Amino acid sequence: DSGVTQTPKHLITATGQRVTLRCSPRSGDLSVYWYQQSLDQGLQFLIQYYNGEERAKGNILERFSAQQFPDLHSELNLSSLELGDSALYFCASSSRLGSYEQYFGPGTRLTVT
Amino acid sequence: SQQGEEDPQALSIQEGENATMNCSYKTSINNLQWYRQNSGRGLVHLILIRSNEREKHSGRLRVTLDTSKKSSSLLITASRAADTASYFCATDVEWGSARQLTFGSGTQLTVLP
Repeated sequence: DSGVTQTPKHLITATGQRVTLRCSPRSGDLSVYWYQQSLDQGLQFLIQYYNGEERAKGNILERFSAQQFPDLHSELNLSSLELGDSALYFCASSSRLGSYEQYFGPGTRLTVT
Repeated sequence: SQQGEEDPQALSIQEGENATMNCSYKTSINNLQWYRQNSGRGLVHLILIRSNEREKHSGRLRVTLDTSKKSSSLLITASRAADTASYFCATDVEWGSARQLTFGSGTQLTVLP
């Protein structure tokens, strides 16, 4: 158990809909990262938040947005969903000090039908 | 797009044999990390090697890094059936409190009992 929690575990929704994925980082970790894993694109970095502020952006679509709240949990919002958005979405957290490894949550499997 | 390319894409060995996976990347890095993923689960950090290090050991894992060739290798010695998983290299670039991990395409390792 990495200490990172993600909800929900599975999500099935229709094209055009909007969903929110939630992540709680490990206790004390200030950085939260979001990744998308799909068969055709592999594991792609989406976005990083550090202590409530956006710090780095990867291959995140304009239809996707994220935020980190004062209690450090984060949400990834996916809107106008397309079939191609079906993927595993992972959240990871890390501590700025000391080691640099990221601790991954169990993921949310999103299926768009 | 993915920075790292891993080779081989899939590897099947007998229990007790050694497994070697290679990773090549394109840009300058702060460090390189290896992660493991069991099917459909979150990634687990295995080992980190800094850009000024050439070799690092952790238990049955040995990682090498050649920054001149922009390549790394992961050796798992005396493999076990429980080592069956996908293994990913990830290049790590940090600037201030921002950091971005870019994952390779992964090697699927199967260890046969």
